Amino acid sequence: NAGVTQTPKFQVLKTGQSMTLQCAQDMNHNSMYWYRQDPGMGLRLIYYSASEGTTDKGEVPNGYNVSRLNKREFSLRLESAAPSQTSVYFCASSEVWSQGMLSGANVLTFGAGSRLTVL
Amino acid sequence: GNSVTQMEGPVTLSEEAFLTINCTYTATGYPSLFWYVQYPGEGLQLLLKATKADDKGSNKGFEATYRKETTSFHLEKGSVQVSDSAVYFCALRGRGGSQGNLIFGKGTKLSVKP
Repeated sequence: NAGVTQTPKFQVLKTGQSMTLQCAQDMNHNSMYWYRQDPGMGLRLIYYSASEGTTDKGEVPNGYNVSRLNKREFSLRLESAAPSQTSVYFCASSEVWSQGMLSGANVLTFGAGSRLTVL
Repeated sequence: GNSVTQMEGPVTLSEEAFLTINCTYTATGYPSLFWYVQYPGEGLQLLLKATKADDKGSNKGFEATYRKETTSFHLEKGSVQVSDSAVYFCALRGRGGSQGNLIFGKGTKLSVKP
């Protein structure tokens, strides 16, 4: 049972280069998320997709774009990488996003992370 | 908006010591509360959760009680092991609308020495 799979695991870019982080889940989850993790900052939400066909900005969306390709896949694109985007990126998914009281306890399943360095 | 504050680390303990990691939150309404754990080189995993006031979440010897009166969800374990060395994140998730996303604390690194 793979869960959430992210690729690549490591990437080094030069300033101004573009790249796409791929994420796929095999749990038939409706909602998917991209977070970045920085020392002393915890995890911050970049974008999320509550359901197939929808995407919304999170806390730190600037410099990123996302595509919910289908129910399984949610990609994160850096069009022009900057050193400030050096971070560890985590994709996550959950069964649903928010439907009132019942969904308040939805659990996120995380991928193993992608470490990106921008020089 | 919603927020989570957890104690600064790192925390270094000897094996079999008692662990407490403090977590307090600010939220409107009645959020759900979580502890996630991140082992070295891995993604986050759910450790335990609580969905309403006075609920106690527990797993692998860890416990946390949802205290609405003190807006707290402190993580405790009576006897830590070297294998518990990891980063622990407190998190909350609001109910409905824009409150539905998971918000994390900054994480507390725990090192357990044999």
